[in-house]
Parts: sequence; structure tokens; C-alpha cells
Amino acid sequence: KNQVEQSPQSLIILEGKNCTLQCNYTVSPFSNLRWYKQDTGRGPVSLTIMTFSENTKSNGRYTATLDADTKQSSLHITASQLSDSASYICVVTGSSNTGKLIFGQGTTLQVKP
Amino acid sequence: EAQVTQNPRYLITVTGKKLTVTCSQNMNHEYMSWYRQDPGLGLRQIYYSMNVEVTDKGDVPEGYKVSRKEKRNFPLILESPSPNQTSLYFCASSWASSYNEQFFGPGTRLTVL
Repeated sequence: KNQVEQSPQSLIILEGKNCTLQCNYTVSPFSNLRWYKQDTGRGPVSLTIMTFSENTKSNGRYTATLDADTKQSSLHITASQLSDSASYICVVTGSSNTGKLIFGQGTTLQVKP
Repeated sequence: EAQVTQNPRYLITVTGKKLTVTCSQNMNHEYMSWYRQDPGLGLRQIYYSMNVEVTDKGDVPEGYKVSRKEKRNFPLILESPSPNQTSLYFCASSWASSYNEQFFGPGTRLTVL
């Protein structure tokens, strides 16, 4: 069964610290992987999109990595800010010609002052 | 301003009373999709549309209908709502299904009594 699993489920860090969120998937065939940020009560906002041939992609203080061989991705947040408090969702598309997306359950990050 | 709009934003209704949640985008996107988000389950795809008159089931299509008669609109129809459809619903659109950023609407919070 195609699945996307994220860890940890929740995370609390101090402002200014770095953190890494994990995403493991069993989706095959694999087309691309996305990371979204979702503030409470709002729609998700895209952070990065990576195809199977990309190993890393950055968006400001957010850096995503992808290992298509081990089917793992990570999202690294550098120098966290209070505004980084949100849910981070990993999403995988299984094939390039389908519109079906498979979502992880998300990691809830809380950044404390 | 490029955006995805949903209406209504909040709705309380009773079991069995047909309702429609509208979704409209002004970016000329081919792809549109509906999701529901429930605590502990994350975002799940209900239906998606690759283009006008083309719709397909996501992971949780039961109890929902959609139509795509024009490019900008993708309404979600609940013919006979039930309490287990109480959820937060998001509509999203993008240029194509796999390689482009999805833009999400602000969400519709539905309560079925």
C-alpha cells in the first residue's frame, strides 16, 4: 500500500535552534515529493518540490533532501523563528500522469522563545 | 490577486440536507482538487480534476460528488451529508498535477449535525 509516514509527530524547539523533520514513503512508482507548511486553520503553502533526480532543494531557511533509493526525505529548518510554528506536511505523487497525491500526517512544530 | 476562493467558509447543516461548497481559481490552472482534513488523519484527497470535464476519485470519494464544467470552478457536492463528513475542507489548484506548486484555498469548516 502506498504510504507516507512522518516523524516525529510533534516537536518543540527553542527559537534560533535548528531542527530536522523526517518523511519515509513506500509510494511506487515515484514522481515527486513536496513539503508544505500549514499554519493553524489555514491552507498549506508549498515549501519545496523535488523530483526523483533531485537530492536537495532550498527555500530560504528551509532545506529539503531526498534519497530516492531509500525512499526518505528530510526537511531541515535553520535558525528557527517563532513564525516557523506550524504543521509540516510531506506529500508524494506516485506517477507523473496522475493527479493523485498521498499525504503524510504531518509534524507539528512549536518554536518557543 | 492570484487566489483560490471557497464559499462558504463556515457551514453548519443537518443530516441529509444537500449542500454545495464552491471553489474558484483565477490562475487558469488545469488541475484542481478537493481535500478534507481531520485531526489525527491529516489531509486526504477526495476528488481531483486534470482538466475540464475530467474528474477522478481520490482516497476518500464516498459521499461526495464533483463537477468540472468550466476551468475556473470545481464545486464539491454533498448530496446527503452525514455527521462523519464534519471536517475542514480545502480546494487547491495548479498548472499541472505533478511538477507544479499547488495553491490552496482558505478552507471551509463544515459541521453536520
